[in-house]
Amino acid sequence: QLQESGPGLVKPSETLSLICNVSGVSITNTFYHWGWIRQPPGKGLEWIGTIFYSGTTSYNPSLKSRVNISIDGSKNHFSLSQTSATASDTAVYYCARRIIEGGPPPSDAFDIWGQGTTVSVSS
Amino acid sequence: NFMLTQPHSVSESPGKTVTISCTRSSGSIVSNYVQWYQQRPGSAPTIVIYEDSQRPSGVPDRFSGSIDSSSNSASLTISGLRTEDEADYHCQSYDSSYHWVFGGGTKLTVL
Repeated sequence: QLQESGPGLVKPSETLSLICNVSGVSITNTFYHWGWIRQPPGKGLEWIGTIFYSGTTSYNPSLKSRVNISIDGSKNHFSLSQTSATASDTAVYYCARRIIEGGPPPSDAFDIWGQGTTVSVSS
Repeated sequence: NFMLTQPHSVSESPGKTVTISCTRSSGSIVSNYVQWYQQRPGSAPTIVIYEDSQRPSGVPDRFSGSIDSSSNSASLTISGLRTEDEADYHCQSYDSSYHWVFGGGTKLTVL
């Protein structure tokens, strides 16, 4: 299971920080990558970034300058840090597990998602 | 980076068949697998099709996925529509740099 946690309200220009707690599987398992996806109100899903089991990261080019994803194997969680928040960052933020290509089914998919956490950016 | 374009909404009657398209703007649709997710209101997405056409266990065989290289698009087809299929459906793929992309989502209404 995945569970997001963090502040529900962030002030403009401040840093949005979320943690995804992972249970039932080791976050260092080589079959999995770990991602953050967000969904603004009434809109579609937007991929934010993914961290691979090696610690390598990949970010959405439109957010890359403001985003950092890190992993903590000792706590079995991974984190999102997004600087310089604006109202357009208001969204439901999901963490999700991705199974690697060629892994167990459903491979190549984000197969398990957290319930999502709502973050509003407002003064 | 590329985009995935889906129709904003589709509607069909119970028992009928509906197809939702997902067109890739650049690069070949066959280069990287396409996934489809179902999202009911207030809930997180769940996977219904992976690797273009594979169904996870527990997903009814009424759901099927396909790829058409001539139109550079993927499709999700739901047959024998039920009211419980009413949801948003999102396609997803990625590029060679491991940048993931989601389509804008399609709202399915089962009238």
